[in-house]
Amino acid sequence: DAGVTQSPTHLIKTRGQQVTLRCSPISGHKSVSWYQQVLGQGPQFIFQYYEKEERGRGNFPDRFSARQFPNYSSELNVNALLLGDSALYLCASSLKGASGYTFGSGTRLTVV
Amino acid sequence: AQSVTQPDIHITVSEGASLELRCNYSYGATPYLFWYVQSPGQGLQLLLKYFSGDTLVQGIKGFEAEFKRSQSSFNLRKPSVHWSDAAEYFCAVGVWSGGGADGLTFGKGTHLIIQP
Repeated sequence: DAGVTQSPTHLIKTRGQQVTLRCSPISGHKSVSWYQQVLGQGPQFIFQYYEKEERGRGNFPDRFSARQFPNYSSELNVNALLLGDSALYLCASSLKGASGYTFGSGTRLTVV
Repeated sequence: AQSVTQPDIHITVSEGASLELRCNYSYGATPYLFWYVQSPGQGLQLLLKYFSGDTLVQGIKGFEAEFKRSQSSFNLRKPSVHWSDAAEYFCAVGVWSGGGADGLTFGKGTHLIIQP
């Protein structure tokens, strides 16, 4: 079985631009969450989706948004990129909320 | 809000020696507890998790962790480390809230260095 897949793997954007990151969960997993990991830090929670509804949001500005599609895949959008948005963005899926999260390999976003 | 503290930023252990990585959490009820490992440039791999029941949890790669409610701790242990264990280790706490779940709260990580 395929694990959690994220695309693209690497991305370079300019300040002020917008970016969309994609995540496909493990087959059968209905919960998807997004995390931002700045170099040298632990991942920070951005969004949690379960059954296509937002179930949780971390302390991130409104420039960050996400959605989950009927096939349970998800997109994370970030508008008006700042240099500080440079990070590894991780997606995780699970069968049912906190039952155990499987992480993808992440998307490395560099804002220049 | 929950929080996780990993007091050791770096730990150096000789190959074959035992290992203990510390993790303390703050939460009003019994949380879900996790240990993840991350190799450079990679995603996170789940080592083990605790939801309820036996407080000593066995994981992959020979790791185990013990939940101690009285100390709000969930320390990770391995009796004999291998050079391939060198990585970043993260402790995390999750909360189940009714029909959905909050995201995980991670500690800042412990960087494990293995000496030959």
